[in-house]
Amino acid sequence: GAGVSQTPSNKVTEKGKYVELRCDPISGHTALYWYRQSLGQGPEFLIYFQGTGAADDSGLPNDRFFAVRPEGSVSTLKIQRTERGDSAVYLCASSLSSYNEQFFGPGTRLTVL
Amino acid sequence: AQSVTQPDIHITVSEGASLELRCNYSYGATPYLFWYVQSPGQGLQLLLKYFSGDTLVQGIKGFEAEFKRSQSSFNLRKPSVHWSDAAEYFCAVGSLTGNNRKLIWGLGTSLAVNP
Repeated sequence: GAGVSQTPSNKVTEKGKYVELRCDPISGHTALYWYRQSLGQGPEFLIYFQGTGAADDSGLPNDRFFAVRPEGSVSTLKIQRTERGDSAVYLCASSLSSYNEQFFGPGTRLTVL
Repeated sequence: AQSVTQPDIHITVSEGASLELRCNYSYGATPYLFWYVQSPGQGLQLLLKYFSGDTLVQGIKGFEAEFKRSQSSFNLRKPSVHWSDAAEYFCAVGSLTGNNRKLIWGLGTSLAVNP
């Protein structure tokens, strides 16, 4: 597939558990972004990678949230000690470079019970 | 403060009618502006973008938008709406300065199309 893919599409977990959300960007795209979208809201920026490094992580809400992109391609968003307020759709986007428009994946719907 | 306002939460139009979705922004740096569409169960799809140059930009699916710096607006228009245009529309603003690449989003406008 040519687009951004995200797995899983749905994740249900219990409060306090650890989750990992995966993003496969478009091949060749150097920039990768994570957002989350709550019901009835626009996306909210979390973190942006240029290559392997996090260029801007100012949107991560607290230290329970962490993201990596070790080889400059696939990225994993990690959430520790999940809380019910973490329930949202987590969106990943990529762009050819950080000067180009962002292409979004379908998202992972996270539900914390 | 950086923000995007989409004043209309929900709009209903008849098929074949014209459409204008409003977007106003507040942004300290040179704004780069986007309109995305989100259909149920689908990812966000870019309709069009404004980086520089001609302030009237054309996008996909027959959409266009006009950047008006004096009014801090970037309204989306379509001359004749099709039933398949029913979706959620988001306006976003971003920057290309420094390491700031985050997009600031509006709350969205939900478009319904009557047959």
